[in-house]
Amino acid sequence: EAQVTQNPRYLITVTGKKLTVTCSQNMNHEYMSWYRQDPGLGLRQIYYSMNVEVTDKGDVPEGYKVSRKEKRNFPLILESPSPNQTSLYFCATQSRDGTGYTFGSGTRLTVV
Amino acid sequence: QKEVEQDPGPLSVPEGAIVSLNCTYSNSAFQYFMWYRQYSRKGPELLMYTYSSGNKEDGRFTAQVDKSSKYISLFIRDSQPSDSATYLCAMKGSGGSNYKLTFGKGTLLTVNP
Repeated sequence: EAQVTQNPRYLITVTGKKLTVTCSQNMNHEYMSWYRQDPGLGLRQIYYSMNVEVTDKGDVPEGYKVSRKEKRNFPLILESPSPNQTSLYFCATQSRDGTGYTFGSGTRLTVV
Repeated sequence: QKEVEQDPGPLSVPEGAIVSLNCTYSNSAFQYFMWYRQYSRKGPELLMYTYSSGNKEDGRFTAQVDKSSKYISLFIRDSQPSDSATYLCAMKGSGGSNYKLTFGKGTLLTVNP
């Protein structure tokens, strides 16, 4: 079954404590992306990756890092989380033919 | 003006009603248009995908694109309680910008039994 798997699903952490949200896909898609979703603001792109070792900033990259060492994995790293990064995060992938995204189930992050 | 505008609702209809959801956009470079459905606590899932202007039908769902007016619609016939979700429009250009989707903020739909 084609899947985008995110972990963890829920996370509560404290300000400044580094964390990583993992994303893994089994569809061999080149393009992967991270979004955050906030009430009234919709989905906003954080970072994206066109392929292994190729990453670039989206619309709201401040406070986030990513890496793409393997095709299937695209972790999102928060080096020093702050309360304004409390949000619902989604990983998404897209095939080369560009026929839409496949999203993961989401990670609800709370930073206190 | 935002690139994509979508009325957030909420929209509440009785079961069996015809639902119309709409988005307008300002970027004439958009060529591909999508509708996603997002259930509570779930990731968005692709519902409809269309290229350029015209209509596309899939079961109870019809997507319409009018590029001259920069206006897209999703119609749901014989709506069911299971259609209750947030509906997101999304669009993208072609060529070098082929990968990035620009989303509307979503419309919350409730279908009442």
